[in-house]
Amino acid sequence: AQSVTQLGSHVSVSEGALVLLRCNYSSSVPPYLFWYVQYPNQGLQLLLKYTSAATLVKGINGFEAEFKKSETSFHLTKPSAHMSDAAEYFCAVTATGGSNYKLTFGKGTLLTVNP
Amino acid sequence: NAGVTQTPKFQVLKTGQSMTLQCAQDMNHNSMYWYRQDPGMGLRLIYYSASEGTTDKGEVPNGYNVSRLNKREFSLRLESAAPSQTSVYFCASRLSAGFSSGNTIYFGEGSWLTVV
Repeated sequence: AQSVTQLGSHVSVSEGALVLLRCNYSSSVPPYLFWYVQYPNQGLQLLLKYTSAATLVKGINGFEAEFKKSETSFHLTKPSAHMSDAAEYFCAVTATGGSNYKLTFGKGTLLTVNP
Repeated sequence: NAGVTQTPKFQVLKTGQSMTLQCAQDMNHNSMYWYRQDPGMGLRLIYYSASEGTTDKGEVPNGYNVSRLNKREFSLRLESAAPSQTSVYFCASRLSAGFSSGNTIYFGEGSWLTVV
């Protein structure tokens, strides 16, 4: 079984500031990890994913995340926030291998960007 | 590039009414999913279909039924709607059943359902 905890349901930053959204996972086997973004009244869009190829993963819109096995974390960062980054962000995890069909989501972090 | 298409986008139901949410994907994906999204709860899996001809319960299946009509289509039915089923529903699909390659799950735009 796997689970995801997103620390902070709401994060507020100033435009141009560092964005850090935290995600910790629990999995009994090596995981695959994902970050999705949801803009108001829209579906979820994949930002980036970790599939064991490289621990530092770069995604769209300047976001990146680093897989840290020792900390069971997969935090999402962006060096400089833009107003257009305001959205809700979801971390998700699944177990590798076997016949696991399920993707488990965290509860989401709402990012607000202040001018 | 339609991707995953859901209908209807908005619906208001009275308690006890039934309705079906339709979902179709044009990416030749094998696996399809129905999630519901509620404030502060993230996305919770209702039902999924790993491949054509199979369906399985997710975390919150009570009050719902599904049909995998063919490879493209996966519908969600509420037989007797309740106010607790007021939510945003997302259909999603993925190429293959297992996550051996970490393949991406793609989402539809969502269906906003209100039960009064």
